[in-house]
Amino acid sequence: KQEVTQIPAALSVPEGENLVLNCSFTDSAIYNLQWFRQDPGKGLTSLLLIQSSQREQTSGRLNASLDKSSGRSTLYIAASQPGDSATYLCARGATNKLIFGTGTLLAVQP
Amino acid sequence: SQTIHQWPATLVQPVGSPLSLECTVEGTSNPNLYWYRQAAGRGLQLLFYSVGIGQISSEVPQNLSASRPQDRQFILSSKKLLLSDSGFYLCAWSSGLAGVETQYFGPGTRLLVL
Repeated sequence: KQEVTQIPAALSVPEGENLVLNCSFTDSAIYNLQWFRQDPGKGLTSLLLIQSSQREQTSGRLNASLDKSSGRSTLYIAASQPGDSATYLCARGATNKLIFGTGTLLAVQP
Repeated sequence: SQTIHQWPATLVQPVGSPLSLECTVEGTSNPNLYWYRQAAGRGLQLLFYSVGIGQISSEVPQNLSASRPQDRQFILSSKKLLLSDSGFYLCAWSSGLAGVETQYFGPGTRLLVL
């Protein structure tokens, strides 16, 4: 069974703190690993895509890593801001589909 | 630039009534199109995807169907809604194969079946 797990399910941090969101997957034969952001009641916004041949991708304060051998990806958010509050979803690329985790709900307290 | 539209934004329907949700994409041609459902606590589930006009693949057996009458139009339908069809429905597109290329999501339709 192709599973994607995200821990923790919810996280609350004070503004300015660096934080790490975790994603694990059971099948190492992936095309890529993608991170999305979802604001309440909205669609998903793509943040970062790491190809299976890559180990990390960076965009601004965000850095995502991929370790296929251990079946793990992390999303690092530096200097968190209240505007970062949202649900963060990871998804592994499989044939003709993305398989999503259930997400981590992040609250950054001002 | 590419944009993706979904309507309606919110829908409340009685059990047994029909359903039609529409998704359109602008600014690209021959996109791959996807319908997802997001139910509380269950994550995002792929329902259908389409790689071209009239080509529909179903991921899970269910009470729903999909159609693609035009290149950039994707429709999700049901003849008779069930309570379990309630959820947040998201349409997405990608320029290449899903799983290889990133996907771009619409704003979603919240469906409540009573």
